Amino acid sequence: NAGVTQTPKFRVLKTGQSMTLLCAQDMNHEYMYWYRQDPGMGLRLIHYSVGEGTTAKGEVPDGYNVSRLKKQNFLLGLESAAPSQTSVYFCASSYGTSGSWSEQFFGPGTRLTVL
Amino acid sequence: SQQGEEDPQALSIQEGENATMNCSYKTSINNLQWYRQNSGRGLVHLILIRSNEREKHSGRLRVTLDTSKKSSSLLITASRAADTASYFCAPQKLVFGQGTRLTINP
Repeated sequence: NAGVTQTPKFRVLKTGQSMTLLCAQDMNHEYMYWYRQDPGMGLRLIHYSVGEGTTAKGEVPDGYNVSRLKKQNFLLGLESAAPSQTSVYFCASSYGTSGSWSEQFFGPGTRLTVL
Repeated sequence: SQQGEEDPQALSIQEGENATMNCSYKTSINNLQWYRQNSGRGLVHLILIRSNEREKHSGRLRVTLDTSKKSSSLLITASRAADTASYFCAPQKLVFGQGTRLTINP
C-alpha cells in the first residue's frame, strides 16, 4: 500500500502560469481533500470531494479548481498562478466523515513557489 | 465545520518530561482528533476521541475530552526527541488550528 501520493514534490512557477497537482490514493477512500499550509500556520481546506465525480468548496477555494474523474485520483489546478499561492499543498483522504471513518491519511505534500 | 485552537502555540521541554497541550472549540462535536506533523511532512493521525468518552490512551499518549468546557488535552508522557513536531487538534472534521509546536531538548 502506497497510501496517499502526491505529484510533483516541488514546483516553481512564474506568475500567470498554470499547473495541475495530482493526488492518488490506493485505500479505496470515498473522501479526498486538498489543503494548503502557509509557514507557521495550520492547514486550510481548499476543496474536497465526497465521491467520484463530485467536488465541493472549502475555506479558501478562490484561484483553484479540482476534478475527481476517478475515485482514486483528485486533481488540483491553478489556472493562473499568483505569488499568494506560494505554499505547501497537502492532499488527504478518508473513508468518511463520521467517527473512526473520518481519520484522514495525508500525502507528503507539494512545495509550490510562485515567482 | 469549526476550527480548534491549540494552546500553547509553542512548548519546549527536556527529554523525559511530560508535555501537555490543549485544544478548545466552540460548538458541539461528535468526536475530536489529534494529529502530529513532523517538519516538512504530512499530518499523521494520532488518536480519535468520541464525545461520549472522557479519556483515551494510546501508548505514551493520553487524550482527555471535556464537552462541558469544550476542550481537550493531549498528554505525551516520558517525551523523546522524536516527539518534536507540531500537534493539531481537529474538532469534528475538515478544519485544523495553527497547532502547538513541541520541541524536546536532549
